[in-house]
Amino acid sequence: NAGVMQNPRHLVRRRGQEARLRCSPMKGHSHVYWYRQLPEEGLKFMVYLQKENIIDESGMPKERFSAEFPKEGPSILRIQQVVRGDSAAYFCASSPPSPGRNTEAFFGQGTRLTVV
Amino acid sequence: AQSVAQPEDQVNVAEGNPLTVKCTYSVSGNPYLFWYVQYPNRGLQFLLKYITGDNLVKGSYGFEAEFNKSQTSFHLKKPSALVSDSALYFCAVRDPRYNAGNMLTFGGGTRLMVKP
Repeated sequence: NAGVMQNPRHLVRRRGQEARLRCSPMKGHSHVYWYRQLPEEGLKFMVYLQKENIIDESGMPKERFSAEFPKEGPSILRIQQVVRGDSAAYFCASSPPSPGRNTEAFFGQGTRLTVV
Repeated sequence: AQSVAQPEDQVNVAEGNPLTVKCTYSVSGNPYLFWYVQYPNRGLQFLLKYITGDNLVKGSYGFEAEFNKSQTSFHLKKPSALVSDSALYFCAVRDPRYNAGNMLTFGGGTRLMVKP
């Protein structure tokens, strides 16, 4: 069972370009979470998704950022018109669908976005 | 809203000595607490969790954590540190609003340095 897969691992974008970050959850997981980690800082929650639904996007910047988790395919975090301040590591996590509380989230290796 | 505090940016310990990484939390209702470890340029690896039951939780790589409800703490411990334990450690609390989800609020992280 492969873990949470994120790609690309490293992404360089010029200011004003778009960045697309992909996350394939673990097999059988239907909950996906995106977090952002600035250099030397902790992880900040961005968005929580289930298949075809955004459950909580309270951590998403109001502009330029969007996320989706379609019925088929990976979850996508999209950043339009990137700026230097978007440079960070973006982590995806997934967890199982069961309502049982004795579960934990599994994290991918992250995508390191550099805006030049 | 829930929150997690890790009061130490860095903990230094000699190999073979016991280590403690501190964490305090604030959450409404029953706390679901987690420790994750991050090695350089890697994702987060799950170490252990407290959901309910015994206050002393045992996890991966010889780590354990002690849940203290009266002090709202969940300190990470290990009886004998290894150089390979050097990494960034994050404490996290689950958002209680989502029964089926694992939306996490993280502390700022503590860098553990184990010297030979």
